[in-house]
Amino acid sequence: EVQLVESGGGLVQPGGSLRLSCTASGLTFRSYWMHWVRQTPGKGLVWVSRINNDGSSTTYADSVKGRFTISRDNAKNTLYLQMNSVRDEDTAVYYCARVIRVVGGFDDWGQGTLVTVAS
Amino acid sequence: QSAPTQPASVSGSPGQSITISCTGISSDVGAYNYVSWYQQHPGKAPKLMIYDVSNRPSGVSNRFSGSKSGNTASLTISGLQAEDEADYYCSSYRSSTNVWVFGGGTNLTVL
Repeated sequence: EVQLVESGGGLVQPGGSLRLSCTASGLTFRSYWMHWVRQTPGKGLVWVSRINNDGSSTTYADSVKGRFTISRDNAKNTLYLQMNSVRDEDTAVYYCARVIRVVGGFDDWGQGTLVTVAS
Repeated sequence: QSAPTQPASVSGSPGQSITISCTGISSDVGAYNYVSWYQQHPGKAPKLMIYDVSNRPSGVSNRFSGSKSGNTASLTISGLQAEDEADYYCSSYRSSTNVWVFGGGTNLTVL
């Protein structure tokens, strides 16, 4: 069974930094592209970023470009999201998701980790 | 470019069928057959229900089906059950900017 477990969320001040992690099990992690998707409480899903299977290619939503960095450590089966210069509007539950088909659906999701940006 | 448009809410009685639409643009929903649908119950992570417009992952009930015409994709749920009450989101790859987009979500109420 595929399991994705996010961690690292919490309270951060505007302008601060935070690093989220997503640890995968039950799959050959290095074989799959991975994504981060976020959801402001009570609102809809918003795609944030994706990384290919070996970490050589990344893409970002315009809203986080230049501030967030997605990366992975295939030896540790772990996906990361480094969040810098955070803003109030970055407050959300952050989900990691695994895709089997490169441009297909998001097949498996973690339970999410809440990031709250507030002073 | 804005996100695909979904109705904010739909409702139906047990046993009935409902359809949720997802209207995008020619570079996302209309471009390729890369539309997927997700079910999300309150406080839970989203669950993939349909991928590549009309394919069901293993374990998803055949009461769920998907289709697409032009820039509009649709999710149909037949034989509505109480457990289907949830939020539903469409998603598509947007080729023009190499990003993924989600619709605004639709709240399904089973009366």
